[in-house]
Amino acid sequence: QKEVEQNSGPLSVPEGAIASLNCTYSDRGSQSFFWYRQYSGKSPELIMFIYSNGDKEDGRFTAQLNKASQYVSLLIRDSQPSDSATYLCAWGNMLTFGGGTRLMVKP
Amino acid sequence: SQTIHQWPATLVQPVGSPLSLECTVEGTSNPNLYWYRQAAGRGLQLLFYSVGIGQISSEVPQNLSASRPQDRQFILSSKKLLLSDSGFYLCAWERQGATGELFFGEGSRLTVL
Repeated sequence: QKEVEQNSGPLSVPEGAIASLNCTYSDRGSQSFFWYRQYSGKSPELIMFIYSNGDKEDGRFTAQLNKASQYVSLLIRDSQPSDSATYLCAWGNMLTFGGGTRLMVKP
Repeated sequence: SQTIHQWPATLVQPVGSPLSLECTVEGTSNPNLYWYRQAAGRGLQLLFYSVGIGQISSEVPQNLSASRPQDRQFILSSKKLLLSDSGFYLCAWERQGATGELFFGEGSRLTVL
């Protein structure tokens, strides 16, 4: 069975710091990985996707994929209070979602 | 531009009552459509997905059903709700061939009492 593991948190970081969110997955054959952000009471929104090993940067966000170790991570630089949300990783063609990590950025 | 709408946004239903949640997409054709459920503090559980009119695949056996009567309309139903059906129901669409890039509706929060 496909599985995605995430630390539920909360992960608390001070404003301006780097937030590091991690996710491990079970299927070595998966090719595509996604990070969704979900504010409390709202629906998820896609913020990053990554298909290849290595890093992918988009503004303050960097996704990192290591297929050999079966993990994907999301780094948020210069964290802002507005980044406080739950971050869901997902993978596969029919998306399997992790339980999400709640991030709290404190001013 | 593409938009997705779900309704109702919130509903409270007694155990054993029927359910109908509706989702429509505008601005695109032949999308893949999904229904997910999210229990409080949990991740998303895929319930149904559809690649075309009348084509429904179920991921989790339960007392829910889905239908796609039109290309951009997706309906989630139940004949008799259970307490365990409570949750946040999310409809999402995806371009054909663009796997994993889902666009979610606003969600429908269901409480079964």
